[in-house]
Amino acid sequence: NAGVTQTPKFQVLKTGQSMTLQCAQDMNHEYMSWYRQDPGMGLRLIHYSVGAGITDQGEVPNGYNVSRSTTEDFPLRLLSAAPSQTSVYFCASSRDRVVDEQFFGPGTRLTVL
Amino acid sequence: GENVEQHPSTLSVQEGDSAVIKCTYSDSASNYFPWYKQELGKRPQLIIDIRSNVGEKKDQRIAVTLNKTAKHFSLHITETQPEDSAVYFCAASFTGGGNKLTFGTGTQLKVEL
Repeated sequence: NAGVTQTPKFQVLKTGQSMTLQCAQDMNHEYMSWYRQDPGMGLRLIHYSVGAGITDQGEVPNGYNVSRSTTEDFPLRLLSAAPSQTSVYFCASSRDRVVDEQFFGPGTRLTVL
Repeated sequence: GENVEQHPSTLSVQEGDSAVIKCTYSDSASNYFPWYKQELGKRPQLIIDIRSNVGEKKDQRIAVTLNKTAKHFSLHITETQPEDSAVYFCAASFTGGGNKLTFGTGTQLKVEL
């Protein structure tokens, strides 16, 4: 199993551009989530999904959209990139609920100029 | 929502000494408390977790204690080794809390030779 995969690993955007961060898992996990990691601020939840067709907002959802059309994939869309969205983004999945072990992807380092 | 505070932000110990990291949480309904380790440039990985029905859990050199009355939990690492150097994150969640995991801001542990 590949586990949780993310693409791209690195990305540089200009202010106002849009893009999609990809996340996929091959463990048949129901719960998937997106976090951003900034220095001194830990991991902050952006959006999460408890199953295909179901998504909800986390702590910092503004400027991001998600969808969950399949169990395997959970893409994160930046609608109009801003310098404040410069961060490292991690996707995570767990078997069924948030109180199960979270398996993280390798991360995407995003810079917005 | 849940708020998790973590201290200290940095911790330096001599090899072989013990390290203790403490977290407090705000929501008395929280019942799941995982700890994640993140090595430099890597993804976070679960090292130990505890649920509210127990007060202590051990796994070789690491242990976690939970005080529900005071709403705090701690990570204890004994006989520290250089490979324990990393950032450690605590987190808290509860099953009925909208499936959200709230992380602390992290502790940079450095084990010196």
